[in-house]
Amino acid sequence: GENVEQHPSTLSVQEGDSAVIKCTYSDSASNYFPWYKQELGKGPQLIIDIRSNVGEKKDQRIAVTLNKTAKHFSLHITETQPEDSAVYFCAARRRDDKIIFGKGTRLHILP
Amino acid sequence: EAGVTQSPTHLIKTRGQQATLRCSPISGHTSVYWYQQALGLGLQFLLWYDEGEERNRGNFPPRFSGRQFPNYSSELNVNALELEDSALYLCASSLLANYGYTFGSGTRLTVV
Repeated sequence: GENVEQHPSTLSVQEGDSAVIKCTYSDSASNYFPWYKQELGKGPQLIIDIRSNVGEKKDQRIAVTLNKTAKHFSLHITETQPEDSAVYFCAARRRDDKIIFGKGTRLHILP
Repeated sequence: EAGVTQSPTHLIKTRGQQATLRCSPISGHTSVYWYQQALGLGLQFLLWYDEGEERNRGNFPPRFSGRQFPNYSSELNVNALELEDSALYLCASSLLANYGYTFGSGTRLTVV
């Protein structure tokens, strides 16, 4: 079936450096791409999203880029801080309106 | 504004029993989604309810079922529990299918 691939599964970056997480999707009709952050013991929290008619979106230290032709999208976190440590999920809404999630990236911010 | 609330927080059941999980969406949200998050895995889509009707379901056996009530709250029922059903069950709600989800904190189901 249509799915979302996410890489890497684990990412460690030095505090203050940037982190990039990449995802690809297979359903060419996908038109909505949210990113979620999940901290230990909590449900996922929407941190940023992008629609297919936009190529890039920024919100303070977080940005998301979308390449519809290549069917991939990325999350960029700049000036990383300890509180950015969490599991991040990308997702894509398919043509049947299901939102399908990637398997997640565990981000470690090193002091 | 209250977020998505799920109950119970934790649930321990014996293999073969039935489990009932509950979810109250954000006020005004009509769509409710259920996901299963097994340890170390991503979120697997289970069910989607909107305006009281099941709109879509994931690749799960029929013993996973649910319903949505007139007040838009929802129940997830899992019959004939198996050990591999142990997971975090997350409920989310949205205003419309075109909007992002707001998740609850989940129900941790343990089958022994």
